[in-house]
Amino acid sequence: QSALTQPASVSGSPGQSITISCTGSSSDVGDYNYVSWYQQHPGKAPKVVIYDVSNRPSGVSNRFSGSKSGNTASLTISGLQTDDEADYYCSSYRRSSTLDVFGTGTKVTVL
Amino acid sequence: EVQLVQSGAEVKKPGESLKISCKASGYSFTNDWIGWVRQMPGKGLEWMGVIYPGDSDTKYSPSFQGQVTISADKSINTAYLQWSSLKASDTAMYYCARRTDTWIDYWGQGTLVTVSS
Repeated sequence: QSALTQPASVSGSPGQSITISCTGSSSDVGDYNYVSWYQQHPGKAPKVVIYDVSNRPSGVSNRFSGSKSGNTASLTISGLQTDDEADYYCSSYRRSSTLDVFGTGTKVTVL
Repeated sequence: EVQLVQSGAEVKKPGESLKISCKASGYSFTNDWIGWVRQMPGKGLEWMGVIYPGDSDTKYSPSFQGQVTISADKSINTAYLQWSSLKASDTAMYYCARRTDTWIDYWGQGTLVTVSS
């Protein structure tokens, strides 16, 4: 199963906003509002930051927001902080697939 | 509090068998899908498969079908991932994860499996 496409890396300075894209197709991102985003710090298990495109779980900072346009979903981190430095993965339901599919992953660096 | 606690790191030789576990607590184990996610060294996340402990319905990613077996024992709230013959390419971190309808809300801490002769 082919992964969703994310940029390999994105960087920003503290306080800035950055956006990570997640490009799929009309069989997944484009046709379903079931996109989630996961943050993974080095050596740690992933943690959800956004689900169902734009919903934030309890306890997740409101600096994280999600959106979708066509076949591309996006995660925006505003007011960038050093603790936001991590890998980020999107995931989407995919029609005719037994399981959800993950994105290729994006390394966020805080300069 | 929902918790998924995985078994410890394993070092195995090629050809050996292995079964790792994920013990769930803090919720009704039989009412949610639970599955396994592989992360090879320096690489991304991959769904391997999921199981619904209530009726043992199991789904596998095509890449892992026939390569591993996912099972669950609802009497002890534990999910398993097993291999009958390990390969060096099975070296990875394996996470168990509880899947709601559309996303993963809880993850285990991970089990590192190293396969080396």
